[in-house]
Amino acid sequence: GAVVSQHPSRVICKSGTSVKIECRSLDFQATTMFWYRQFPKQSLMLMATSNEGSKATYEQGVEKDKFLINHASLTLSTLTVTSAHPEDSSFYICSLGQTNTEAFFGQGTRLTVV
Amino acid sequence: AQKITQTQPGMFVQEKEAVTLDCTYDTSDQSYGLFWYKQPSSGEMIFLIYQGSYDEQNATEGRYSLNFQKARKSANLVISASQLGDSAMYFCAMREGPPIYGGYNKLIFGAGTRLAVHP
Repeated sequence: GAVVSQHPSRVICKSGTSVKIECRSLDFQATTMFWYRQFPKQSLMLMATSNEGSKATYEQGVEKDKFLINHASLTLSTLTVTSAHPEDSSFYICSLGQTNTEAFFGQGTRLTVV
Repeated sequence: AQKITQTQPGMFVQEKEAVTLDCTYDTSDQSYGLFWYKQPSSGEMIFLIYQGSYDEQNATEGRYSLNFQKARKSANLVISASQLGDSAMYFCAMREGPPIYGGYNKLIFGAGTRLAVHP
């Protein structure tokens, strides 16, 4: 069964608005979750590491104020794309790794900013 | 420098034949893990196989096997008896350093290989 649930799977929003994406751990208490971004026909790029109860760690080049991450509980991490613009349109996917041999991914969210 | 290199942007194979997808990696860590994921057009990431740097045997999972050549830093995926449903993007990924239980599998991904299986 699913280990990670990510919602929504698709979202279309107007330029300038904010969008929140949720990533829930269904079976495990996840102290750490990861957020990736994937542009069309490209690979997954790590955006940030979400840490329960503390600030997220962002990768170089990722704007903290634009991509707000909240990990308030052991089962939920959220990514909010603030003041979205068309260039933010992408596939966003979260993951958590609860074993040493597998990282579990959410279903992904396809964001389109119009 | 690229940490994970997948040199084949696209591959095709006839149904029922075997195919090898290449992956080379670069790390100075002694302990690391190598993963292969399949991504169909729906976007989900499907875990296929894992190889730890200290594993002496090549990993196998059903029709998937990983040809691990540590000295050459390569971790090629072999899919035997290809099926039409195998058509997808395939990503090689690496976890640098030893695994830490509790959700710390940060992965570095290669560019991916698009596999097309022809009937």
